[in-house]
Amino acid sequence: DQQVKQNSPSLSVQEGRISILNCDYTNSMFDYFLWYKKYPAEGPTFLISISSIKDKNEDGRFTVFLNKSAKHLSLHIVPSQPGDSAVYFCAASKTGGFKTIFGAGTRLFVKA
Amino acid sequence: EAGVTQSPTHLIKTRGQQATLRCSPISGHTSVYWYQQALGLGLQFLLWYDEGEERNRGNFPPRFSGRQFPNYSSELNVNALELEDSALYLCASSPRLAGRHNEQFFGPGTRLTVL
Repeated sequence: DQQVKQNSPSLSVQEGRISILNCDYTNSMFDYFLWYKKYPAEGPTFLISISSIKDKNEDGRFTVFLNKSAKHLSLHIVPSQPGDSAVYFCAASKTGGFKTIFGAGTRLFVKA
Repeated sequence: EAGVTQSPTHLIKTRGQQATLRCSPISGHTSVYWYQQALGLGLQFLLWYDEGEERNRGNFPPRFSGRQFPNYSSELNVNALELEDSALYLCASSPRLAGRHNEQFFGPGTRLTVL
């Protein structure tokens, strides 16, 4: 049972344009969501997070939107840069819960 | 500050053998998590250790086991290896009190290949 789904295995975007990565979850108990970025031969690194009490969180070029009624979150990268090319994992957890559930990841290609 | 370290980087075993993977968390972190990333799949939660005890495990058979040592480093043991155990095994750590973002800090992983 995949509780966190990233339905797009890959996404290709032109440099300077917006990248939108999507994530859906099924468990309404999740109240904290994170995005991680992974380069080849490295472990994932934390990028940005959002609590369920918010619907938007912004950090520089990265913005995460949360739609609780649709159980959907998205990561927007504006403007996209070639260095953003990586695999992005969406993750969900419950405050005080035991584990974080990760999606399958979306590979982003930003073309120069 | 040193990050999470894992050893070995690569490990090649044959079916039926045992594999031992090691992880050293960031200094001051008491929790260690193990994940499996098989080709084309996301991070599948394996095990969580905190303060030397197993706190939770994912949906994996008992031949996946581990332990956490008094210095908070951890081992993951996989017995009776099967071909489908071939994957990248990632270790992550976090402090006892959740950081501002409640994030986990990952090591570079161990690539296990079972022939």
